Amino acid sequence: DAKTTQPTSMDCAEGRAANLPCNHSTISGNEYVYWYRQIHSQGPQYIIHGLKNNETNEMASLIITEDRKSSTLILPHATLRDTAVYYCIVRPSGGSNYKLTFGKGTLLTVNP
Amino acid sequence: ETGVTQTPRHLVMGMTNKKSLKCEQHLGHNAMYWYKQSAKKPLELMFVYNFKEQTENNSVPSRFSPECPNSSHLFLHLHTLQPEDSALYLCASSQGGSGNEQFFGPGTRLTVL
Repeated sequence: DAKTTQPTSMDCAEGRAANLPCNHSTISGNEYVYWYRQIHSQGPQYIIHGLKNNETNEMASLIITEDRKSSTLILPHATLRDTAVYYCIVRPSGGSNYKLTFGKGTLLTVNP
Repeated sequence: ETGVTQTPRHLVMGMTNKKSLKCEQHLGHNAMYWYKQSAKKPLELMFVYNFKEQTENNSVPSRFSPECPNSSHLFLHLHTLQPEDSALYLCASSQGGSGNEQFFGPGTRLTVL
């Protein structure tokens, strides 16, 4: 399975953009990048995923570098409720591609 | 609300007890998952069911016994647990086993005394 590397923690001011980086230098050509987040004591929540093009939805934007070795999740206007652990996950291909392997993620703290 | 419910939300049990965790999804999905999240550890996948058939057992001890009677319900039967089994147990579902967006329930906080 491709592995991801994320900073342990980040801070962001309320109302500003939060940019969360993720390195996945061993990603394979047909593996997707997924982002989930987990607010304290709740179940993880899906945010967004992409293969190689940039993606945007109502929650966030995902920027994937051209070589696909890294990506950035952007929360355009962070609020206090965005404080959570954010997980960058590379989904393996093939017969076991349902597996989501969670790492330690990045604890994003949005400050007032 | 994600459409995935779990009961109970909190459970305290002794090592000799037998208890069951229940998960129900109202999303029409056909794949369901059990995850374990211990303190300060990443989520660990325990079991996967696809169309009621178990397709993954991630080397989980036999004191954890899953049951999937239909695509909407998933149980985790617990017996003779150890204190180190205390954790947050999360259920998730997805459309197909393809790793498409997984919807998680709120979890059951289990404490084994």
